[in-house]
Amino acid sequence: DAGVTQSPTHLIKTRGQQVTLRCSPISGHKSVSWYQQVLGQGPQFIFQYYEKEERGRGNFPDRFSARQFPNYSSELNVNALLLGDSALYLCASSLMRSSGRGNEQFFGPGTRLTVL
Amino acid sequence: EDKVVQSPLSLVVHEGDTVTLNCSYEVTNFRSLLWYKQEKKAPTFLFMLTSSGIEKKSGRLSSILDKKELFSILNITATQTGDSAVYLCAPFNNAGNMLTFGGGTRLMVKP
Repeated sequence: DAGVTQSPTHLIKTRGQQVTLRCSPISGHKSVSWYQQVLGQGPQFIFQYYEKEERGRGNFPDRFSARQFPNYSSELNVNALLLGDSALYLCASSLMRSSGRGNEQFFGPGTRLTVL
Repeated sequence: EDKVVQSPLSLVVHEGDTVTLNCSYEVTNFRSLLWYKQEKKAPTFLFMLTSSGIEKKSGRLSSILDKKELFSILNITATQTGDSAVYLCAPFNNAGNMLTFGGGTRLMVKP
């Protein structure tokens, strides 16, 4: 079975440009979350989407936006790129069951974004 | 604001040693705590803990949660060089639908 997939693998942009990152969740998973991981730190939560609706938002500026499609895949958009946006962007999928259990989130390989 | 502290920051051991990694947390609307192993890119899921005092085991790895004292430990016995990685803990905030990650513990296992 395919795990979480992300594209592209690597991306180089210049300051002020815009970027779109893509994620396909594990088959059957309806929730996608996005995280930013700066070198040497743990991942930081950006967004969660479930059934095409935003269900959680981290402390990121409005330059960051996302959406989820009917097939549960997702895009993360970042506008007006800054040098500090250089990071590994991780996508995680989960079932998001509401049975009282927690959510096991499974991560994709990430997209390495470099802003010059 | 949610807070997660992992210790030690880094650890160097030799093959066969046993290690204990610590994770303390302060999270509103706590639902569960997850452990991940990160080698190069994607964090790999290890455990999800929801109840105190119940040890979860997978081979040489085990983990336990204390919801009263707000901490978790990850044990690795008979370490191997393949265990070298960054280990991340992340409690799940049910209100924000988010994992809050600690900074990780970097483990290096020498032959």
